[in-house]
Amino acid sequence: EPEVTQTPSHQVTQMGQEVILRCVPISNHLYFYWYRQILGQKVEFLVSFYNNEISEKSEIFDDQFSVERPDGSNFTLKIRSTKLEDSAMYFCASISGANVLTFGAGSRLTVL
Amino acid sequence: AQSVTQPDIHITVSEGASLELRCNYSYGATPYLFWYVQSPGQGLQLLLKYFSGDTLVQGIKGFEAEFKRSQSSFNLRKPSVHWSDAAEYFCAVGVSGGYQKVTFGTGTKLQVIP
Repeated sequence: EPEVTQTPSHQVTQMGQEVILRCVPISNHLYFYWYRQILGQKVEFLVSFYNNEISEKSEIFDDQFSVERPDGSNFTLKIRSTKLEDSAMYFCASISGANVLTFGAGSRLTVL
Repeated sequence: AQSVTQPDIHITVSEGASLELRCNYSYGATPYLFWYVQSPGQGLQLLLKYFSGDTLVQGIKGFEAEFKRSQSSFNLRKPSVHWSDAAEYFCAVGVSGGYQKVTFGTGTKLQVIP
């Protein structure tokens, strides 16, 4: 069964450093998403991406965040200058014509 | 904007007992409804979905859910719980007709005791 692949599975970084989280969505999917889950809290929408541009973003997705699809397969989330409160599990997802999100296993970000 | 309420933060059931996890949604039109399960340290796995048609939907691992429009509910059920069902369960609502974001509830953590 096709999967959404995320790397790294866990990243530890110092506050103020830039972080890039990578995702390979399912190949025939057209819409891509990033979600965040702070430990013990609910899964929160960050951003959706279609046709090489952001289609919707939440209030969490401020100027420190950016997304990019640099080639035909990767979809990245960049955090320019990480803060302690950015520590969370970040989930990438992509969606098919059946309107069902398929999630990756997540990238755990720990900011020290 | 759509929203989801899962009133039970934590539920404990005995193995072999039946299970019902509650979910209420708020959305002006016909919603897309989902249940996802998350095992510790893992990603989100889709259990089942409702888009239209039969209001009782069957999912994986023996789970089912019933859409009740009059109650704005989409409760998840399983007749006999197994120890491996211990996980966190998230109800989610999506906007019908578009490839838009899905909004999650706060989750219900299920503990299964032998």
